[in-house]
Amino acid sequence: DARVTQTPRHKVTEMGQEVTMRCQPILGHNTVFWYRQTMMQGLELLAYFRNRAPLDDSGMPKDRFSAEMPDATLATLKIQPSEPRDSAVYFCASGLGTGMSNQPQHFGDGTRLSIL
Amino acid sequence: LAKTTQPISMDSYEGQEVNITCSHNNIATNDYITWYQQFPSQGPRFIIQGYKTKVTNEVASLFIPADRKSSTLSLPRVSLSDTAVYYCLVGERDSSYKLIFGSGTRLLVRP
Repeated sequence: DARVTQTPRHKVTEMGQEVTMRCQPILGHNTVFWYRQTMMQGLELLAYFRNRAPLDDSGMPKDRFSAEMPDATLATLKIQPSEPRDSAVYFCASGLGTGMSNQPQHFGDGTRLSIL
Repeated sequence: LAKTTQPISMDSYEGQEVNITCSHNNIATNDYITWYQQFPSQGPRFIIQGYKTKVTNEVASLFIPADRKSSTLSLPRVSLSDTAVYYCLVGERDSSYKLIFGSGTRLLVRP
């Protein structure tokens, strides 16, 4: 069974540090989504890529967050500088489709981030 | 944007049918409705997707009325392993487009 792989699974760091989360989408998938999950806000879309191009990052705090796809096998989400309010579980998902909603998304198991 | 709303929790017993409804008043015209299941410490897992009327697969059915402002996930004969959180996902359009997860319904299946 093909899976989306996220690394690291857990990250604890001090505020002000740079955090990089990585995602390997399923081979052949052309879309990548980044989500953040917290108890208070639930699951929120941060960024959406199709064919490696960023098409929607309206949910992402622009001043400190950035998302890229250096190649088709790697997506990254960076936070610099990190703040305690960034503590959450970050999920990556991949899919095969032409629109944001018309495709099943396959999720990784997330990166649990704690900013002290 | 209007919120995509679901009941917070539901209880059921093994063998019963469970229906979970999601309200999405501002669903975008051409968007699909998708449901996911999530277990603790795991990412959401795709269950079913539909655009209108009824869709059925090997694990669930999805009922969508003509106005598409709500949808109902139906799980036939639930088992203990169906205890999880269930989310609907839709695209909503108000002044802008946004992909929105519902707040999630925590289903507890009892023996």
